[in-house]
Amino acid sequence: DIQMTQSPSSLSASVGDRVTITCRASQSIVFYLNWYQQKPGKAPKLLIYSASNLQSGVPSRFSGSGSGTDFTLTISSLQPEDSATYYCQQSYGDLVWTFGQGTKVEIK
Amino acid sequence: EGQLVESGGGLVQPGGSLRLSCTASGFALDSYWMSWVRQAPGKGLEWVANIKQDESEKYYVDSVKGRFLISRDNAKNSLYLQMNSLRAEDTAVYYCARISYIGGPHLDVWGQGTTVTVSS
Repeated sequence: DIQMTQSPSSLSASVGDRVTITCRASQSIVFYLNWYQQKPGKAPKLLIYSASNLQSGVPSRFSGSGSGTDFTLTISSLQPEDSATYYCQQSYGDLVWTFGQGTKVEIK
Repeated sequence: EGQLVESGGGLVQPGGSLRLSCTASGFALDSYWMSWVRQAPGKGLEWVANIKQDESEKYYVDSVKGRFLISRDNAKNSLYLQMNSLRAEDTAVYYCARISYIGGPHLDVWGQGTTVTVSS
């Protein structure tokens, strides 16, 4: 199975900061990498699909990049409502999927 | 865009069984692959199973193979997860989600989750 490793596991940043979260796959997943945001007690919400495509309705301060094994989620200007846990997820190949372990983003 | 509502969670003893349901509205279930994802208390997301529109393909995480069965009834706009031989480590919030294939497979609509607790 494909393993997904996110870093960091948590971070604290100020409003307006640029925040970057990375996700590494144990083998190439081409561009089949999705990002989700989850707030406490809520269901996950799709942010980015297929590495770099912004889901409808998601603010443009969120962006994704990468291909192969290395991917990045960037928040260009952190807002208070972005406090959440972020997960990457690979959707490559034979429909056996895996999530990263999550990155908790806190506002200073 | 569509909505998903899970039900059927509860407290069950180890070794017991439970059947989760997920009802779709606002879209035609038979047009989509569907998925179950779970989250143990204080832990991250874990993909559990996927099912094709006509049930001809089903995929499971290794830890539930042979114990869980994903199924669907498109006429009732419903998705199911039959969970047998339950273990303490199956305790989690279970989410159903719709798989979109625009651009590449991703989970674009999620339910609110139903809680399963396996304990004696």
